[in-house]
Amino acid sequence: DTEVTQTPKHLVMGMTNKKSLKCEQHMGHRAMYWYKQKAKKPPELMFVYSYEKLSINESVPSRFSPECPNSSLLNLHLHALQPEDSALYLCASNIIGTGLSSYNSPLHFGNGTRLTVT
Amino acid sequence: AQSVTQLGSHVSVSEGALVLLRCNYSSSVPPYLFWYVQYPNQGLQLLLKYTSAATLVKGINGFEAEFKKSETSFHLTKPSAHMSDAAEYFCAVFLSGAQKLVFGQGTRLTINP
Repeated sequence: DTEVTQTPKHLVMGMTNKKSLKCEQHMGHRAMYWYKQKAKKPPELMFVYSYEKLSINESVPSRFSPECPNSSLLNLHLHALQPEDSALYLCASNIIGTGLSSYNSPLHFGNGTRLTVT
Repeated sequence: AQSVTQLGSHVSVSEGALVLLRCNYSSSVPPYLFWYVQYPNQGLQLLLKYTSAATLVKGINGFEAEFKKSETSFHLTKPSAHMSDAAEYFCAVFLSGAQKLVFGQGTRLTINP
């Protein structure tokens, strides 16, 4: 079982819909991430939150809107998506350490939400 | 810029045979390297990480990796493949100065009975 929980597991939405992906962790991690993974490709970083503040946005289109309401929750709000946005969306978290531990703290991933945009 | 390159997008071995998945890194400073595994329809699971405390790193499920600075490599091995090892394997580097884990292209491991 994964310690990072993502809901829903599957989502089908039309291009005019508004939906949200949710991610939850209770490991006390203060860094949380959204990755996008297309079929047969590696995950690509979208957003990073550190201490509930957005620290990295990898030039993601504004139709994707992240939100971190508290230290355990991470949301990804979706609006007016395109069919090419269909992918597996992965949430991850890790410890924000200091010194060496800030670089080798492994990410813990959820099982993802499989999104299909029709 | 730091990055990792995985040699071979697909590796096929027989059950019981040695597994060798290749990863080379490019970095002018000590890299922070990881191997992750992804089973079908699941997220990524950490296999092992390089911490600079030892060049030979043991991970879960019988996997290990050896850090070789002279070859800029961090290859993943397992002495005897099991059917349950069939999955996608990703080498990754955590970029120093930024909270970014960057993945290689992945290697799909197939196990033949």
